[in-house]
Amino acid sequence: EVQLVQSGAEVKKPGESLRISCYGSGYSFTGYWITWVRQMPGKGLEWMGRIDPRDSYTSYSPSFQGHVTISADKSIRTAYLQWSTLNASDTAIYYCARLRTLTGTTDIDYWGQGTLVTVSS
Amino acid sequence: QSVLTQPPSVSEAPRQRVTISCSGSSSNIGNNVVNWYQQLPGKAPKLLIYYDDLLPSGVSDRFSGSKSGTSASLAISGLQSEDEAVYFCAAWDDSLNGPVFGGGTKLTVL
Repeated sequence: EVQLVQSGAEVKKPGESLRISCYGSGYSFTGYWITWVRQMPGKGLEWMGRIDPRDSYTSYSPSFQGHVTISADKSIRTAYLQWSTLNASDTAIYYCARLRTLTGTTDIDYWGQGTLVTVSS
Repeated sequence: QSVLTQPPSVSEAPRQRVTISCSGSSSNIGNNVVNWYQQLPGKAPKLLIYYDDLLPSGVSDRFSGSKSGTSASLAISGLQSEDEAVYFCAAWDDSLNGPVFGGGTKLTVL
């Protein structure tokens, strides 16, 4: 069974750093890209970026480029989303998801359960 | 403001049929496949329809999807109380080179 299990909720202060994780199991971890998606309170989903766990090649949405870092450690089947400096507007639920590519078409087939990040002084 | 447009909410009685729309543009729905997801409260989203109209294994055939031009629809027939959830659409966007999403539609079974 394919599963993406994310790390638990976090409460941080503005200016602090944070790394959240996404552990993949039940499939070939290096065979699929992992993507991260943000959901701010009361808002829709926004794509942040993606990573190829084979070689850690990344691609970011222009809206998030430079503000977050996506990484992966294929030896422990885990992808990460990292901030060096949090601000209150980073308060959101963050989802990791698996990107599937078949016959040239890319879509999301599995999601993690989400990680709530609260940034407040 | 989500890239794909969905109604915020829909409601219908048990055993009836409801449709949820998803409107986009030529750079996403018009040129790529649409997926639909179901999100129950406090749970991870679950793939419900993929490639516009295909059902993943294990998904009830009460769910169906369709697409025309830059719009897509999800239909749910024989509504049951357990169908109460948020449903959202997604499609790859060629301009973004990433997925875009609808804002989600909350289904209430009256």
